[in-house]
Amino acid sequence: DAMVIQNPRYQVTQFGKPVTLSCSQTLNHNVMYWYQQKSSQAPKLLFHYYDKDFNNEADTPDNFQSRRPNTSFCFLDIRSPGLGDAAMYLCATSTLVRDTQYFGPGTRLTVL
Amino acid sequence: GENVEQHPSTLSVQEGDSAVIKCTYSDSASNYFPWYKQELGKGPQLIIDIRSNVGEKKDQRIAVTLNKTAKHFSLHITETQPEDSAVYFCAANTGNQFYFGTGTSLTVIP
Repeated sequence: DAMVIQNPRYQVTQFGKPVTLSCSQTLNHNVMYWYQQKSSQAPKLLFHYYDKDFNNEADTPDNFQSRRPNTSFCFLDIRSPGLGDAAMYLCATSTLVRDTQYFGPGTRLTVL
Repeated sequence: GENVEQHPSTLSVQEGDSAVIKCTYSDSASNYFPWYKQELGKGPQLIIDIRSNVGEKKDQRIAVTLNKTAKHFSLHITETQPEDSAVYFCAANTGNQFYFGTGTSLTVIP
């Protein structure tokens, strides 16, 4: 089945230690998104790629970076995680930017 | 930018009853309105969506209605079951992204 896969599902890191989360898709969608979701809140968009074009949200901290080496994969790099970065990180894909988004299962990040 | 408001924030219903969740949006250019169901520890799953050229859409026990003039849309779940218990998010597209509502935690009491 075509799907959005996120690895790992759970990630524990230490304060200030860089961490990378990964997302892959078999949907062959042009657009890939990264969202941050804190407890009992709506997903908050961090950035998205349309093909190789990177679009950063204005309020996304510089601590968050992303890479998309090919159509199928997208990575979220957190350079120096703080306690406030503990959250669920969701990857999503869509054919077009304003079209239906399909979410992966998420990666739960814990910062010690 | 877009402002999506969602009510209620929590909703409890008896099994078999109906549940209604309402959202309003501010950007008249929005033309696509999906609803997502998110179970604990999982990613949001699309359950139904509606485009602005349609007033109502139904899929078995789930329906969505859209009033473009009033800028509001609603999710209707009939004959609720315990497995419907989850957090539901509405969303509206604008510019290059979606804006999500704040979520409704639905509990279906057996």
